Amino acid sequence: KAGVTQTPRYLIKTRGQQVTLSCSPISGHRSVSWYQQTPGQGLQFLFEYFSETQRNKGNFPGRFSGRQFSNSRSEMNVSTLELGDSALYLCASSPEGSQPQHFGDGTRLSIL
Amino acid sequence: GNSVTQMEGPVTLSEEAFLTINCTYTATGYPSLFWYVQYPGEGLQLLLKATKADDKGSNKGFEATYRKETTSFHLEKGSVQVSDSAVYFCALSDPPVPYKYIFGTGTRLKVLA
Repeated sequence: KAGVTQTPRYLIKTRGQQVTLSCSPISGHRSVSWYQQTPGQGLQFLFEYFSETQRNKGNFPGRFSGRQFSNSRSEMNVSTLELGDSALYLCASSPEGSQPQHFGDGTRLSIL
Repeated sequence: GNSVTQMEGPVTLSEEAFLTINCTYTATGYPSLFWYVQYPGEGLQLLLKATKADDKGSNKGFEATYRKETTSFHLEKGSVQVSDSAVYFCALSDPPVPYKYIFGTGTRLKVLA
């Protein structure tokens, strides 16, 4: 069974640009969560989607947004990038959200 | 609010030594508890879980027991290997929002041959 797939693995952007990250969950999983991992703040919850609906959102500015498609694939968008957005962005999936989450290898975003 | 506190690292051990990584939590409800491991350049892998008080999660020689009275979920392994070198994260999910995990800061483990 294929795991959670995140693309791309690495991204380099400059301040002010926008970026879109993609996540394909494990087949059959309908819940997709996104986390930001930084050395200073650790792992922080961004948002979660289930059946194309955002059920919860963490404490991040509106520049961070996401969506989920009917096939459960999810995208995360960050607009007007700032240096502090440099991080490893992790996606996790589970069947319905109440079961243990399975994580992808992440997308490492570097802002110059 | 909910929170997870892990012991500071790094933890450096010799091969075959006993490992304990402490984890305590604060939660309003009855959370599920998890240990995840992260190897360099990779995402998080679920190591073990426990969903209610006194449950013992175990996997690959690692164990942790859900202690409600002490609000703890300490990770233990009787004999570590060099391949266990990684960062270990304790996490909880609270029933009202089970898909929103709260993570500890992580503990780096280095095992020397």
